[in-house]
Amino acid sequence: SYVLTQPPSVSVAPGQTASIPCGGDDIGSKTVHWYQQKPGQAPVPVVSGESDRPSGIPERFSGSNSGHTATLTISRVEAGDEADYYCQVWHIRGDQGVFGGGTKLTVL
Amino acid sequence: EVQLVESGGGLVKPGGSLRLSCVASGFKFSSYTMNWVRQGPGKGLEWVSSISTSSSYIYYADSMKGRFTISRDNARKSLFLQINSLRAEDTAVYFCARSSWNDAVFDIWGQGTMVTVS
Repeated sequence: SYVLTQPPSVSVAPGQTASIPCGGDDIGSKTVHWYQQKPGQAPVPVVSGESDRPSGIPERFSGSNSGHTATLTISRVEAGDEADYYCQVWHIRGDQGVFGGGTKLTVL
Repeated sequence: EVQLVESGGGLVKPGGSLRLSCVASGFKFSSYTMNWVRQGPGKGLEWVSSISTSSSYIYYADSMKGRFTISRDNARKSLFLQINSLRAEDTAVYFCARSSWNDAVFDIWGQGTMVTVS
């Protein structure tokens, strides 16, 4: 089965840039989606594909993907960005969806 | 308003069964792939199953093959998940989510329904 690896936690000061990696075998060949989940709420997509942002998501959220690592970058981090973030792909070979383990972003 | 509303969760004993439902509104349900995702207490998201627009293609996570059955009724704009032989490790919030195709983002999510096996 295909595995996506994320660090359990990332901390960043307000106004700085947060980078959340998502590792997977040849993930650069896949379409990666990112979700934000706040406590007690359903996940919300923040970046899909190359770097598409759903309506209402600030330009501060962007994605990149190459080789074996995809990265969600949040610029000018705000207190309201504190949440869990998950990467997700569709693994064609196994015909299965896969989520990373999630990263808790803490705004110091 | 585009919306998904799940129901059918509850407390069930090990070995029991449940049928979860997800009703869609505000969009053309029959044009979208539908998905189930679950989240155990304090744990991450886990993809469960996906079903294509006309139910021609159905996929399950390896760990859920055999006990889980996904289905849909386009006329009733409804998605279902039948879970048999429930185990303690099936305890989770079950979300339904919409996507345009398998590789697309899950762009609309329901609020989830809680299943407790105890």
